[in-house]
Amino acid sequence: EIVLTQSPGTLSLSPGERATLSCRASQSVSSSYLGWYQQKPGQAPRLLIYGASKRATGTPDRFSGSGSGTDFTLTISRLEPEDFAVYYCQQYGSSPPLFTFGPGTKVDIK
Amino acid sequence: EVQLLESGGGLVQPGGSLRLSCVTSGFTFSNYAMSWVRQAPGKGLEWVSTLTGSGDNTYYADSVKGRFTISRDNSKNTLYLQMNSPRAEDTALYYCAKGGSFFPYSWFDPWGQGTLVTVSS
Repeated sequence: EIVLTQSPGTLSLSPGERATLSCRASQSVSSSYLGWYQQKPGQAPRLLIYGASKRATGTPDRFSGSGSGTDFTLTISRLEPEDFAVYYCQQYGSSPPLFTFGPGTKVDIK
Repeated sequence: EVQLLESGGGLVQPGGSLRLSCVTSGFTFSNYAMSWVRQAPGKGLEWVSTLTGSGDNTYYADSVKGRFTISRDNSKNTLYLQMNSPRAEDTALYYCAKGGSFFPYSWFDPWGQGTLVTVSS
């Protein structure tokens, strides 16, 4: 079973700063099968990145994904006020279980 | 525009049963795998179950295997989750999510707004 670990648990930054979020897998994950989601309070999660680095429709280009193997990164180049949220990584395609989410990283306002 | 609307949540006693529904629109339903994902109050996301586009193949998290059943009616563009023998730890907001393809190994996009299930006596 693949376990995903996200760090840090909380990231306190100011608008305009760069955010770097880490997702580490207990076993190698195919880059095609790693995604990132954003969840704001009271809202459903929203897909940001799939295939480790492909932006989903509507994802601003300040969001970028990278990585391979067991180490993946979500970078927000310049934080906008609407970016303060919880971010989850997800692997899809290992069996079992078919899908695993990381515990999340909260990006809050410093 | 793709839309997913869950319903059927509520208060259920441990050992009872409940059926969740997710009515969809805006895409060819039978062409995509569909999934249920839950989120306990104040907690993270937990995958529950996935069903291929044809409905021929189902997948479950160990935590619900043998108790929950996922199904779909492609003529009604609707996904279901039959919850039997629920436990207190099944209390959560249940989201329905569209897969990225017919096959199960893909991302979830978009998600519905969720339906709340509370298991309590």
